[in-house]
Amino acid sequence: QLQLSESGPGLVKPSETLSLTCTVSGVSISGSNFYWGWIRQPPGKGLEWIGSVHYGGSAHYNRSLKSRVTISVDTSKNQFSLKLSSVTAADTAMYYCARLEPYFDYWGQGTLVTVSS
Amino acid sequence: DIQVTQSPSSLSASVGDRVTITCRTSQGISTHLAWYQQKPGRAPKLLIYGASTLQSGVPSRFSGSGSGTEFTLTISSLQPEDVATYYCQKYNAAPLYTFGQGTKVEI
Repeated sequence: QLQLSESGPGLVKPSETLSLTCTVSGVSISGSNFYWGWIRQPPGKGLEWIGSVHYGGSAHYNRSLKSRVTISVDTSKNQFSLKLSSVTAADTAMYYCARLEPYFDYWGQGTLVTVSS
Repeated sequence: DIQVTQSPSSLSASVGDRVTITCRTSQGISTHLAWYQQKPGRAPKLLIYGASTLQSGVPSRFSGSGSGTEFTLTISSLQPEDVATYYCQKYNAAPLYTFGQGTKVEI
């Protein structure tokens, strides 16, 4: 059974870099031709796709966040990661990782990240 | 960029009612559209992909239709457990994705 789990700090200071990791279990990231993605949801608001990565390293980002986002994959750990730099309060959100089919068919439970000093 | 517009933003209906949610795109996307259900405090759950294909395990009272620029999600007989926010998502330009604004369904 495929499962995804997000991990990382729940509190990040303004102007710093948000770093999250998604651990995949039940399937090998490098054994399948899927993309793996990050989606976020500010409190009380809708869903926003952040970006996606393929196990080969090819990554694609939401144009509105592209200058601040890096998504990478570590096949040895069966994980992929999100880095969002220069965060502000507007980056406070629930962050989800998901598998792309190319629709999002498996999701992690999400992790809340608050940007505050 | 292709815009995705979902309507209504919220609705209230009674148990047993037929409920319809619409998603419109500014350009044609064939049937590259998915629908998700998000219950409070939970991650979204895939309901429908390819505009009309029901994801495994999803109750048959959910259905999707449409192609091109107009799509609908229908709940044939609303149940209390269907209280949630529903999102459409286009994926014609994979790996670039856009979600609709969401429709909150209440009873």
